[in-house]
Amino acid sequence: DGGITQSPKYLFRKEGQNVTLSCEQNLNHDAMYWYRQDPGQGLRLIYYSQIVNDFQKGDIAEGYSVSREKKESFPLTVTSAQKNPTAFYLCASSIVGDGSYEQYFGPGTRLTVT
Amino acid sequence: AQKVTQAQTEISVVEKEDVTLDCVYETRDTTYYLFWYKQPPSGELVFLIRRNSFDEQNEISGRYSWNFQKSTSSFNFTITASQVVDSAVYFCALSEDASSGSARQLTFGSGTQLTVLP
Repeated sequence: DGGITQSPKYLFRKEGQNVTLSCEQNLNHDAMYWYRQDPGQGLRLIYYSQIVNDFQKGDIAEGYSVSREKKESFPLTVTSAQKNPTAFYLCASSIVGDGSYEQYFGPGTRLTVT
Repeated sequence: AQKVTQAQTEISVVEKEDVTLDCVYETRDTTYYLFWYKQPPSGELVFLIRRNSFDEQNEISGRYSWNFQKSTSSFNFTITASQVVDSAVYFCALSEDASSGSARQLTFGSGTQLTVLP
């Protein structure tokens, strides 16, 4: 089955620690995205990548970093510089071409930092 | 700047009632794309529909229908004969046009929590 996997589903960390969230897709999509969702709010874009070894900052990139070494993988690191890291993180992917195509989402990782 | 407004934070209906979820958007682009997603309690967003700005035809898919009106910058979503399984958060999203081969950013509304009571 094609899809997007994110692991782990729940993640707990102590304040001051960096943590990396995994995102893998086997849909052969060129573009991948990371969003953050806070309670009662919509999704906000952190980073996106439209091709291997290239990525762009979204609206709330401060305190986060990404890499795109393989087409299938787009890990997100939440650094200690992120002031409010506790949130629900969603990874997505899409094809790239003329027009704008729907993004397909993974199941998400709920990060809690104490 | 783009903006999507979903003024209805929460809606509760009784099963079999029809319900309309409102979405109003702002953009300066003449070419843009609108989306609806469903987020059930599990958390994963499920894609429902994509519509580009040149296609104002309404669409029906089973119990779901969408009304796109450029004159009022609205893209409303109606569920007919609602069911308990329709309970979820529904998001409207907007994407601007971009150069071919570029990834597109989605701007999301804040979502509407729909609860369908048995």
